[in-house]
Amino acid sequence: DTGVSQDPRHKITKRGQNVTFRCDPISEHNRLYWYRQTLGQGPEFLTYFQNEAQLEKSRLLSDRFSAERPKGSFSTLEIQRTEQGDSAMYLCASSRLQGASYGYTFGSGTRLTVV
Amino acid sequence: DQQVKQNSPSLSVQEGRISILNCDYTNSMFDYFLWYKKYPAEGPTFLISISSIKDKNEDGRFTVFLNKSAKHLSLHIVPSQPGDSAVYFCAASDSGTYKYIFGTGTRLKVLA
Repeated sequence: DTGVSQDPRHKITKRGQNVTFRCDPISEHNRLYWYRQTLGQGPEFLTYFQNEAQLEKSRLLSDRFSAERPKGSFSTLEIQRTEQGDSAMYLCASSRLQGASYGYTFGSGTRLTVV
Repeated sequence: DQQVKQNSPSLSVQEGRISILNCDYTNSMFDYFLWYKKYPAEGPTFLISISSIKDKNEDGRFTVFLNKSAKHLSLHIVPSQPGDSAVYFCAASDSGTYKYIFGTGTRLKVLA
């Protein structure tokens, strides 16, 4: 069990550019989640996958955001035409399908700064 | 609409004493609750959970209490240690979704 891995750890981009983040979950975990955290706030739900199916998207996820999980393994989160308001920590988490009490295992996050 | 609230942004406690972190929720459908600890530049780390069929769960120095009628839970850390200094988040889920909603966090500082 190597944990949840996220890449890159930090990303600085100019406004208007596209960025893509990658998440590798724990291998036996069926569910994968993306959250966003800004300063002074708790993690805010963005979207989640069960295997390769994207089951729910938050209204926070505008049309500029897209997430994929091809083959039910790693996931990518792309932000197109970045805006300064997109600056945040993007957290990926995974969990087993059964048992909500297991909670999530989070990665270390990708910190995005849009300048 | 903040469904999970942590009304104390910060808390300072002397080493060896009890730390009590509080959390309130509004959605009566929530039936699983978690506490996470977060250090700077790291992702949140799972601490302890409780389901709505229980009112208490213990794991070492950490105990979570759930009062369903008040829609309130609390995390007790006894004895508090300097290494416990971190931001603590509570989170709640409806077991039908397994999607957790997080509070805004409480920054705990344990003074040596």
